[in-house]
Amino acid sequence: DTAVSQTPKYLVTQMGNDKSIKCEQNLGHDTMYWYKQDSKKFLKIMFSYNNKELIINETVPNRFSPKSPDKAHLNLHINSLELGDSAVYFCASSPPGTVYEQYFGPGTRLTVT
Amino acid sequence: GQQVMQIPQYQHVQEGEDFTTYCNSSTTLSNIQWYKQRPGGHPVFLIQLVKSGEVKKQKRLTFQFGEAKKNSSLHITATQTTDVGTYFCAGRNTGRRALTFGSGTRLQVQP
Repeated sequence: DTAVSQTPKYLVTQMGNDKSIKCEQNLGHDTMYWYKQDSKKFLKIMFSYNNKELIINETVPNRFSPKSPDKAHLNLHINSLELGDSAVYFCASSPPGTVYEQYFGPGTRLTVT
Repeated sequence: GQQVMQIPQYQHVQEGEDFTTYCNSSTTLSNIQWYKQRPGGHPVFLIQLVKSGEVKKQKRLTFQFGEAKKNSSLHITATQTTDVGTYFCAGRNTGRRALTFGSGTRLQVQP
């Protein structure tokens, strides 16, 4: 009965590699997000999709590309990984309405060596 | 751009003591949300405040939204060890869906 799930939970890779993180929600929400949490715990929004349409695209390097095949899935692909990309990446979703409370996934800890 | 700051960064209390974290935005907010993140966990939504001067309570937690809608506070009465974690405020500007998260306050409770 997992609400928002992410895979993988841990990802260790070398600089220059390309990697993907997958996210799925079974809450029936229509909006999904990617957040980055750095080592100092700052949470920053990266992207948001509403019904497969990109609605938020913050200042993020072009190496990061989100993809939403349907409203229950939002994946994140990262090209040419850099040391500074090391962080915890959280996927989240929110229901329709006016509150837009975020339901977060468990996070993917990415370590770039 | 919008900035949301929280103080203190860290607070260590004895179990049973009260705790307050303050959140200040550089811009007027349409609403503010609060989240709790346990160590090693993910942020969990606690509450949303919308109206100027609004006060909401959840058991031992009291949330306030400032009159100017630029600041907010979370007060925990008689802390328990289960309150340990990082508390984030997150503000939203009118017409924007994006939330700007505060820097967080990490609470440690000594039993």
